Amino acid sequence: GAGVSQSPSNKVTEKGKDVELRCDPISGHTALYWYRQSLGQGLEFLIYFQGNSAPDKSGLPSDRFSAERTGGSVSTLTIQRTQQEDSAVYLCASSPTKGNEQFFGPGTRLTVL
Amino acid sequence: QQQVKQSPQSLIVQKGGISIINCAYENTAFDYFPWYQQFPGKGPALLIAIRPDVSEKKEGRFTISFNKSAKQFSLHIMDSQPGDSATYFCAARRPSGTYKYIFGTGTRLKVLA
Repeated sequence: GAGVSQSPSNKVTEKGKDVELRCDPISGHTALYWYRQSLGQGLEFLIYFQGNSAPDKSGLPSDRFSAERTGGSVSTLTIQRTQQEDSAVYLCASSPTKGNEQFFGPGTRLTVL
Repeated sequence: QQQVKQSPQSLIVQKGGISIINCAYENTAFDYFPWYQQFPGKGPALLIAIRPDVSEKKEGRFTISFNKSAKQFSLHIMDSQPGDSATYFCAARRPSGTYKYIFGTGTRLKVLA
């Protein structure tokens, strides 16, 4: 079946602009994670959605970052007033139940000029 | 407490050799330790995982060795092949509340033909 998809695959934006990154998880997966992967770094946890529970936003680096998940499926990560340090690959992952294997999407490479 | 330290940062191995990547953690509450393999332009994919009540797990050429008392675990790739050339991440899962994963910083493996 289809895996996790993310769009766009690449995004180039100017400093100060807002961007939206989209994640389509595997159908039926209740858990959804967003991570940030900077060059040469590991995966930095950003936010976690599980079913209808309140999301765990503890990894969001600033109030310029927000995310929502509509209808328990598609998720959008929004970065407002982008900064050059926001440049990274943003990865989305979904799991069928809390804590099981995470299935990652291919990521969105964000470049802030 | 929340860190997972991974080494080496990069590794070059001859074809047929053994690749060894090490990770260390502090938080004894972690309950699940997966290894992910990531090829360029792709999201990470689960390779093999272990729980702390097991000292070793083997799947084909891939083995995880787990030392609970030392709070260390390692990935061994036997008979390394050029197709194994990728970035490898270890991770640890925190079970309480959010099933949050803490990732190591990654090891870039190159297997020479």
